[in-house]
Amino acid sequence: EPEVTQTPSHQVTQMGQEVILRCVPISNHLYFYWYRQILGQKVEFLVSFYNNEISEKSEIFDDQFSVERPDGSNFTLKIRSTKLEDSAMYFCASRETSGRAQETQYFGPGTRLLVL
Amino acid sequence: RKEVEQDPGPFNVPEGATVAFNCTYSNSASQSFFWYRQDCRKEPKLLMSVYSSGNEDGRFTAQLNRASQYISLLIRDSKLSDSATYLCGMGDSWGKLQFGAGTQVVVTP
Repeated sequence: EPEVTQTPSHQVTQMGQEVILRCVPISNHLYFYWYRQILGQKVEFLVSFYNNEISEKSEIFDDQFSVERPDGSNFTLKIRSTKLEDSAMYFCASRETSGRAQETQYFGPGTRLLVL
Repeated sequence: RKEVEQDPGPFNVPEGATVAFNCTYSNSASQSFFWYRQDCRKEPKLLMSVYSSGNEDGRFTAQLNRASQYISLLIRDSKLSDSATYLCGMGDSWGKLQFGAGTQVVVTP
């Protein structure tokens, strides 16, 4: 069964450093998403991406965040200057669109980011 | 008021028993509704979509009440493997999901 993959599974970084989280969505999917989950809290939407541009973003997704689809397979989330509060599990998700609202969104296994 | 609210639990359920819980939402423009299951420190995995007419998948039954703005999940004949956190998710037209904080279910032998 096709699945969303993410690398790395864990990343430890120093405050102020840049990190890039990588995702490979399911190959025929057209919508891509990033979510995060701070330990003990709910899963929060960050950004959605379609047709090589951001379609929607949350208040969390400020100027420190950016997304890119550099080639036909990868989808990346960059945090330019990490803060302590960026420590969280980051999930990538993708969705094949057939126009049905009830389309399933598939999540990757996540990258656990720890900012020290 | 939170956009999506769930009873955090835990719901302690004897094996073989039935458990049910709800999720309320405030955005009446929500277009799609889902139940996801999340195991500790893992990604959410789709359990089932929720349709207006209600739907069943094996031991799981989901209902949607648009008038009162809630969805429900019922688990029959609970198994030990059903122990998890159950997240409700509401989707908009772009597919963005808003999740509740989750309901923890603990099935005991």
